[in-house]
Amino acid sequence: DGGITQSPKYLFRKEGQNVTLSCEQNLNHDAMYWYRQDPGQGLRLIYYSQIVNDFQKGDIAEGYSVSREKKESFPLTVTSAQKNPTAFYLCASSTIGGVYNEQFFGPGTRLTVL
Amino acid sequence: GENVEQHPSTLSVQEGDSAVIKCTYSDSASNYFPWYKQELGKRPQLIIDIRSNVGEKKDQRIAVTLNKTAKHFSLHITETQPEDSAVYFCAASRNRINNAGNMLTFGGGTRLMVKP
Repeated sequence: DGGITQSPKYLFRKEGQNVTLSCEQNLNHDAMYWYRQDPGQGLRLIYYSQIVNDFQKGDIAEGYSVSREKKESFPLTVTSAQKNPTAFYLCASSTIGGVYNEQFFGPGTRLTVL
Repeated sequence: GENVEQHPSTLSVQEGDSAVIKCTYSDSASNYFPWYKQELGKRPQLIIDIRSNVGEKKDQRIAVTLNKTAKHFSLHITETQPEDSAVYFCAASRNRINNAGNMLTFGGGTRLMVKP
């Protein structure tokens, strides 16, 4: 299960607090992604990054922020502006430049707002 | 943008029977359609994918078909086994951004239960 890791596995947050989820990969992938998964729903893209120091908003970026200071790392901050942050968060990575680039997922972080 | 719909949301079959999951997409420019399997509490893992220049692809008990005209694709699992029980997600690739990767839009998922 190596290659792409996320921490912590479970995270609890009080309302009004910011919290940062970690994502690290040692696959030498250029692209990294953050998805949110809610019960009974598919994965929705929050942010993605294709190169260090650059990232783009996905479909549901409001209330989230990211950084990409190193190729291996793509942390996600869930801010107090996110109205309903309780969810399962998945990080993924892929190569770029090919015609089709498989995305590899991390094990996920389950965030619960108390 | 792309919209992917997946049916059914739950599917229960007897061991040994076949299972079929169907997805439709809206963007005719989509050209890559992966299927992911997610076991309970685990990460999604790619099980098969199909590209728009192919109508069907098979890998042992799993097959995927693509109908570009109708904009739908399906996952077929034959001789189902209890270990096939999981949530399955289809996805479609949107526009490629500067030739630098595939942005995936996922369907809502199908919970497959295989009864022994």
